[in-house]
Amino acid sequence: RKEVEQDPGPFNVPEGATVAFNCTYSNSASQSFFWYRQDCRKEPKLLMSVYSSGNEDGRFTAQLNRASQYISLLIRDSKLSDSATYLCVVSGGYNKLIFGAGTRLAVHP
Amino acid sequence: GVTQSPTHLIKTRGQQVTLRCSSQSGHNTVSWYQQALGQGPQFIFQYYREEENGRGNFPPRFSGLQFPNDSSELNVNALELDDSALYLCASSTAGGGLQAGFDEQFFGPGTRLTVL
Repeated sequence: RKEVEQDPGPFNVPEGATVAFNCTYSNSASQSFFWYRQDCRKEPKLLMSVYSSGNEDGRFTAQLNRASQYISLLIRDSKLSDSATYLCVVSGGYNKLIFGAGTRLAVHP
Repeated sequence: GVTQSPTHLIKTRGQQVTLRCSSQSGHNTVSWYQQALGQGPQFIFQYYREEENGRGNFPPRFSGLQFPNDSSELNVNALELDDSALYLCASSTAGGGLQAGFDEQFFGPGTRLTVL
């Protein structure tokens, strides 16, 4: 079993749609959780951290359920510029990041 | 920011390669990741204060160095076709052990290695 598993993609949505990504992780001792965004042939960039209380940044909302070892990302009012691969990430020991395989989002006009 | 060189590299099977990374100023920890096509980045190892400080599931032919001047190297010997990937370095200020606190890692643009 992979340490971090994500929804298979791609997600093809029209502009203005709401889209949700899900992710599960296997190590219950994990302490920190993130969503990264990666544009085609570019480096991953931190989108947002994820907390048990949930957190929101504009159109983006992230949730963490430690009991179910489940992480989610909700994007409201999708824009063309949201097209990218979204990586679910969990921290491991030694400050390393454990990435899921990513879910590709394509927003079309 | 974090810079990496070269941008692209083509090698043949069996050769050796050295990839370079320049960390963000003041960062004492550098991590290296391998990202195969269609996959998420996989942790190779981390260097903290010039010593290896945690390693992922990669063979010994993957090795690294960290220098006092915020630069680091990833060396891969005896290249295999499956080593073709995007190699990313990431720097941060946290490090020093299994229980080290987490700090945001800043990624470089990567080096795309193709092994023929």
